[in-house]
Amino acid sequence: AQSVSQHNHHVILSEAASLELGCNYSYGGTVNLFWYVQYPGQHLQLLLKYFSGDPLVKGIKGFEAEFIKSKFSFNLRKPSVQWSDTAEYFCAVNASGGYQKVTFGIGTKLQVIP
Amino acid sequence: DSGVTQTPKHLITATGQRVTLRCSPRSGDLSVYWYQQSLDQGLQFLIHYYNGEERAKGNILERFSAQQFPDLHSELNLSSLELGDSALYFCASSVEQGVADTQYFGPGTRLTVL
Repeated sequence: AQSVSQHNHHVILSEAASLELGCNYSYGGTVNLFWYVQYPGQHLQLLLKYFSGDPLVKGIKGFEAEFIKSKFSFNLRKPSVQWSDTAEYFCAVNASGGYQKVTFGIGTKLQVIP
Repeated sequence: DSGVTQTPKHLITATGQRVTLRCSPRSGDLSVYWYQQSLDQGLQFLIHYYNGEERAKGNILERFSAQQFPDLHSELNLSSLELGDSALYFCASSVEQGVADTQYFGPGTRLTVL
């Protein structure tokens, strides 16, 4: 069975600081990887996804993530955070092939202080 | 706004009762997914329907059931409710059923069991 670990449950940063949120997955086969974001009071929305090809994926709002197969990791990064990035971030994995059965991590709450 | 609607927004009920949560997917989307989000378990995949047929099951209890109707809306039925069923229930939809499809999430239904 697939699983996802997000190491930091609560992160507090000042504006303009760099962000890296850790995500590790457990699955023996080929995977598809996602980062979702949930802004306060809003629905979950997709930030970026990786299926194949270039392991460095660029998403919306200046976010990027790097898939490192040897480390089973898909860390989310942003060089300079803004107050509006305050949200909860979820890493998710789905085994390639077959139907969608996405497994989400527990989530990381990011608080950006002006 | 993702285009996915869920009703009701909030639901308060007692243990042992039965409730029905409703989801309308984005126009044109054939797949509907249900998730449960609780503080201790995070976001858990429950079930996936595609064009009226069940496609995948996750950690869905036997007390829970779902269906997707010909007009593609879906209902999640929760019966013999327990305190531990209190959670946020999300519905998502996607155009097709493949792993490459982006899921669009609704605003969720917050269920409180007293």
